[in-house]
Amino acid sequence: KQEVTQIPAALSVPEGENLVLNCSFTDSAIYNLQWFRQDPGKGLTSLLLIQSSQREQTSGRLNASLDKSSGRSTLYIAASQPGDSATYLCAVRGGANNLFFGTGTRLTVIP
Amino acid sequence: DGGITQSPKYLFRKEGQNVTLSCEQNLNHDAMYWYRQDPGQGLRLIYYSQIVNDFQKGDIAEGYSVSREKKESFPLTVTSAQKNPTAFYLCASSAKTSGSETQYFGPGTRLLVL
Repeated sequence: KQEVTQIPAALSVPEGENLVLNCSFTDSAIYNLQWFRQDPGKGLTSLLLIQSSQREQTSGRLNASLDKSSGRSTLYIAASQPGDSATYLCAVRGGANNLFFGTGTRLTVIP
Repeated sequence: DGGITQSPKYLFRKEGQNVTLSCEQNLNHDAMYWYRQDPGQGLRLIYYSQIVNDFQKGDIAEGYSVSREKKESFPLTVTSAQKNPTAFYLCASSAKTSGSETQYFGPGTRLLVL
């Protein structure tokens, strides 16, 4: 069964820093990988989706990369802001209906 | 506004009681999903539906039931057989199930046991 791991579990950085969140998965046979943001007590907001044939996706200050062969993805956040504080979840799609989630990285950006 | 709505935001269940969580979407999506989120764990799939009048069990379907009588609605019933129902429940939908589409999530319902 696919297992998704996110390290670190929590991260605190001063405002303005660039940072990288990590996601690893055990089975490289995936359709795509998706990064989500979750604010406390709220639903998930999709940030970026990378198809299995792609290497990276960019949206504003966010850049996600995918190395399927090594089972790794990173989410790079440039020039972090206090509003970026949230939990970031990585999810891997192993089939038409199976979305496997990591446990998330809780990010705090300190003003 | 297009999106997914879930109600109620908070739900309290007494022991032995069945409760139903509502999920509605106006995105014209074919597929809908129910996930459970517990502290320190990733989201886990309870049930999913690819089309009206059809649904499939996910990884943790025991103690839950669903229906899909309308494209826009996918209610989840937490039955008395679910012994540990306290969790945050998230509903999602997607345009199709080819594997390439994004899932969109509702705001969630927090279920608490009295």
